[in-house]
Amino acid sequence: AQSVAQPEDQVNVAEGNPLTVKCTYSVSGNPYLFWYVQYPNRGLQFLLKYITGDNLVKGSYGFEAEFNKSQTSFHLKKPSALVSDSALYFCAVRDGGSGNKLVFGAGTILRVKS
Amino acid sequence: EAGVAQSPRYKIIEKRQSVAFWCNPISGHATLYWYQQILGQGPKLLIQFQNNGVVDDSQLPKDRFSAERLKGVDSTLKIQPAKLEDSAVYLCASSFDSGSFNEQFFGPGTRLTVL
Repeated sequence: AQSVAQPEDQVNVAEGNPLTVKCTYSVSGNPYLFWYVQYPNRGLQFLLKYITGDNLVKGSYGFEAEFNKSQTSFHLKKPSALVSDSALYFCAVRDGGSGNKLVFGAGTILRVKS
Repeated sequence: EAGVAQSPRYKIIEKRQSVAFWCNPISGHATLYWYQQILGQGPKLLIQFQNNGVVDDSQLPKDRFSAERLKGVDSTLKIQPAKLEDSAVYLCASSFDSGSFNEQFFGPGTRLTVL
């Protein structure tokens, strides 16, 4: 079965510093990977996805993610964090079964302090 | 473009009562998903519809949960009877179709508290 792991429950970073939110995956076949963000009392918002091609994927709000096949990782990054980036971040992998089912990690809380 | 709409936003019920949630997907989206998000966990798929047919309901507790998508647009998710462990946020999402590369768009969710 497909799965993702987010090893950090929380990441703290100072405003203006680079941030990284980690994700590792386990799949059979080609990995289709996604990052979503969830703000308080709101639904999940799509940030970016990796399907194939360039290992560095650019997404919304200045976020990018680096796909690393050898390390089975898909870490989310941003060069300069903003206080408004503080939220809950989910990594997800598409299950290769029927449909477009997403399997989510447990989430990582990002706190950016001014 | 209007997003995915859900109602109610919050619901508090006693255990053994019944409850229903409603979802209206983005216009033109053929695929609709219901997820359960328990506090501290990632969302877990309960059921997926393609138009008005069920694609995946393998994780739906069918003894108490039911869902329908009449006419392939709106959907309702029902719990009867509710248990304490059903306390969670219920998220509805939609996508253009069930293709591998289509991102899912999520509604704001319904927060259910079972007392």
